[in-house]
Amino acid sequence: GAVVSQHPSRVICKSGTSVKIECRSLDFQATTMFWYRQFPKQSLMLMATSNEGSKATYEQGVEKDKFLINHASLTLSTLTVTSAHPEDSSFYICSASGGAGTQYFGPGTRLTVL
Amino acid sequence: AQSVTQLGSHVSVSEGALVLLRCNYSSSVPPYLFWYVQYPNQGLQLLLKYTTGATLVKGINGFEAEFKKSETSFHLTKPSAHMSDAAEYFCAVSVGGGNKLTFGTGTQLKVEL
Repeated sequence: GAVVSQHPSRVICKSGTSVKIECRSLDFQATTMFWYRQFPKQSLMLMATSNEGSKATYEQGVEKDKFLINHASLTLSTLTVTSAHPEDSSFYICSASGGAGTQYFGPGTRLTVL
Repeated sequence: AQSVTQLGSHVSVSEGALVLLRCNYSSSVPPYLFWYVQYPNQGLQLLLKYTTGATLVKGINGFEAEFKKSETSFHLTKPSAHMSDAAEYFCAVSVGGGNKLTFGTGTQLKVEL
């Protein structure tokens, strides 16, 4: 149980375009979803926390207008990187929690902006 | 605020040897503690967690960890390393039931023949 999927697993886009990443909890209802960014050989950096039906809470230094997060249902959250630039290239990982204090992570999305 | 320190960014062991990955935490309230494993280009997989109760926690793939409040530690061990254990390991803490995790910087485990 507790499976989280992400789509796409890998995306390459041109600078200036927007990219949407989906995160789904497949076998449980996720009251809270989290979005992380991970640079090569580094730890995970929390970008934002989203609760179903509410606005996301962004961590300090994360641009909310650039990283749009929507948590429309208890099984789906989306992260849209708007007007992507090469410096946005990274590994983006989502996680989902059913409220019991444990986060279950998706497989990640490798974003490359040319 | 809580924090996690993982001593040793790289650990190398021989196949069949004991694995010990160190994690110390700082928290003003009783913490929830987690160990996750990450294989290259993949997300994180939960190995084990401590919330309350028994301080020795057993996880998947033969790993276990012991919560020691007096030492503020939650070290991860496995009696006998296998080649498939080579990966990045992250210790994490959450407090107050808020689900927000604070991660350590990770330990890369290498298993040699």
